[in-house]
Amino acid sequence: KAGVTQTPRYLIKTRGQQVTLSCSPISGHRSVSWYQQTPGQGLQFLFEYFSETQRNKGNFPGRFSGRQFSNSRSEMNVSTLELGDSALYLCASSSTGVEEGNTIYFGEGSWLTVV
Amino acid sequence: AQSVTQLGSHVSVSEGALVLLRCNYSSSVPPYLFWYVQYPNQGLQLLLKYTSAATLVKGINGFEAEFKKSETSFHLTKPSAHMSDAAEYFCAVSTSYNNNDMRFGAGTRLTVKP
Repeated sequence: KAGVTQTPRYLIKTRGQQVTLSCSPISGHRSVSWYQQTPGQGLQFLFEYFSETQRNKGNFPGRFSGRQFSNSRSEMNVSTLELGDSALYLCASSSTGVEEGNTIYFGEGSWLTVV
Repeated sequence: AQSVTQLGSHVSVSEGALVLLRCNYSSSVPPYLFWYVQYPNQGLQLLLKYTSAATLVKGINGFEAEFKKSETSFHLTKPSAHMSDAAEYFCAVSTSYNNNDMRFGAGTRLTVKP
C-alpha cells in the first residue's frame, strides 16, 4: 500500500510569510505526527494528532500549528516565518495506536527554506 | 522525560567490517526503543524496534540490536558492512504504549570505505 505522502517536497518562503505543509498518512492510519529536522537541533517532535484531536505536543512556539481532518490527512502551518524555521519537516503515521510498540512510518519530508 | 544519546556523530568502517553504532537511553519507565535509517534526501525507515518481547532484536538489512537494561544501552550492529549501508542512523526512545512521544538521538553518520 502507499506510504506516507508529503507535499510539497521543496519550497522557498520569505521571512514573515506563512506556510502550510500537507501529509497523507498510510491508508487506515489514524495517528499523524510531525517532526522538524535541522542540522543543529536534530529531529524534534512537533505534535501528534489522532482522530482529529491533538494528543501530544512538543516544545515549539505557537507559530507552529496543525490540524487533522476526518480522513486522517493532516496539515501543519507555520506563521511569521523566521530564518531558523528552515528545515526538513517530516510527517509520520501509525495505526490505531493501541498496539504495543506501535510502528511509526515516515514520509520523505518537505524541505522548507526561509530566505 | 526520556532521552537517547548516540555516541559518535560519525563512524567510518571498511566494507566487510563490523558495524557498531552506540545508543544509550534514559527513561524512568520501561522504554520502547527504535533504530531508524535515513538515506540522503529521504525520510526515516525503521530498521528494528524493541518492545520487551526479546532483548535481541533482528531487523532489516542484516542489522540487529541488543537491549541491555543494566547498561541502559541499545547498540546497533551488523557483522559485515556493505557500501549500501552508508547513511545516517537514528536511535529513538518512547515510553508511551502507542509511541506518540518518540524522542530521537542526534544521529550517527555511517561511512563505508571500499
